[in-house]
Amino acid sequence: NAGVTQTPKFRVLKTGQSMTLLCAQDMNHEYMYWYRQDPGMGLRLIHYSVGEGTTAKGEVPDGYNVSRLKKQNFLLGLESAAPSQTSVYFCASRGTGGMNTEAFFGQGTRLTVV
Amino acid sequence: GNSVTQMEGPVTLSEEAFLTINCTYTATGYPSLFWYVQYPGEGLQLLLKATKADDKGSNKGFEATYRKETTSFHLEKGSVQVSDSAVYFCALTPRAAGNKLTFGGGTRVLVKP
Repeated sequence: NAGVTQTPKFRVLKTGQSMTLLCAQDMNHEYMYWYRQDPGMGLRLIHYSVGEGTTAKGEVPDGYNVSRLKKQNFLLGLESAAPSQTSVYFCASRGTGGMNTEAFFGQGTRLTVV
Repeated sequence: GNSVTQMEGPVTLSEEAFLTINCTYTATGYPSLFWYVQYPGEGLQLLLKATKADDKGSNKGFEATYRKETTSFHLEKGSVQVSDSAVYFCALTPRAAGNKLTFGGGTRVLVKP
């Protein structure tokens, strides 16, 4: 029962480098989310998806792109990393059972941009 | 818009003390309310939820009551343990956007033996 799996768990990037974070869920959930967690800021929504082939912007989308080519995967890309993108990134998924439905989270990716 | 405000931490307590974490919200209509917990080095997991006014969510000795009049959802536990040390997040899903989940800033709780 894997749930939500994020890869990698840790990464150090140099400014200007690119990378892709992968989120995979095995619960057949329609909704998937990418959040970033920063000290004193809680979780802020970067992008989300309401189904395969769809994506939408959240609160802090600038500098990130996403893709949902397969229902079980949600990719977060950084085209040109900046130190301000140093953060812990969490992926989550959620079923379509309504507004009371629980969200399931991955264990996070700690990204440092130097 | 929709927002959640939590008391800032850290909150430091002794074992067996009473814990309260305040949470208030702003939302259109009547949202669903949640408390999530993040243990060290882990992702968030659902602790409890309430879906309508006066509902009480409870789990693992924690309780929270949906108060429409005060737009609050305060988390309480009568006797904390060292294992309750974690970061606690209040969150809501608005009725008009059932796919959205908005979080508060999180409150770190440290329980000392």
